[in-house]
Amino acid sequence: NAGVTQTPKFRVLKTGQSMTLLCAQDMNHEYMYWYRQDPGMGLRLIHYSVGEGTTAKGEVPDGYNVSRLKKQNFLLGLESAAPSQTSVYFCASSLGLAGGSETQYFGPGTRLLVL
Amino acid sequence: QQQVKQSPQSLIVQKGGISIINCAYENTAFDYFPWYQQFPGKGPALLIAIRPDVSEKKEGRFTISFNKSAKQFSLHIMDSQPGDSATYFCAANRSGATNKLIFGTGTLLAVQP
Repeated sequence: NAGVTQTPKFRVLKTGQSMTLLCAQDMNHEYMYWYRQDPGMGLRLIHYSVGEGTTAKGEVPDGYNVSRLKKQNFLLGLESAAPSQTSVYFCASSLGLAGGSETQYFGPGTRLLVL
Repeated sequence: QQQVKQSPQSLIVQKGGISIINCAYENTAFDYFPWYQQFPGKGPALLIAIRPDVSEKKEGRFTISFNKSAKQFSLHIMDSQPGDSATYFCAANRSGATNKLIFGTGTLLAVQP
């Protein structure tokens, strides 16, 4: 049981380049989330999904797109990377039961540097 | 808009001491308050959580104290150990809000041997 995995672990991009971050979970969770973590800012929600085929915007969605074509996968795309998107990106998942008090299980993170 | 304010930003405690991290929230609709622990190079992991129907929850050396009227909650780590050195995040959410946690800015705890 791998839990939540993320690929790649580290990536360097040039301004304007595009890339996709992949998140996979093997816990059959309904909900998945993408966060970015920056020094002094904590974790900020970029986009989230409450089920296969659904996505929604979080707190800081600009410059990012997401897709959830399969229940176990949640992709985060950067169409035209900017230096302001230099960050550590975390994916998380949770069961998806009603109540709002579920544990979120986080992946190990992807460190992205945009030059 | 920062809805959960966390302090201090960093904390140094001697082994065996008590570590205290504080959080304050603004939205009175919040009714779930977890704390996450993050070690360097790892993702955050749930440490302990509380709902506002109780004023305190204890799990081993970790205790959450909750003050609903002041809209504040805190994490106490008793008998702090070097292995507790990590970044701690408080968070908040309200029931039915698709589990969208609002995180504090984090506290870097260093426990000196």
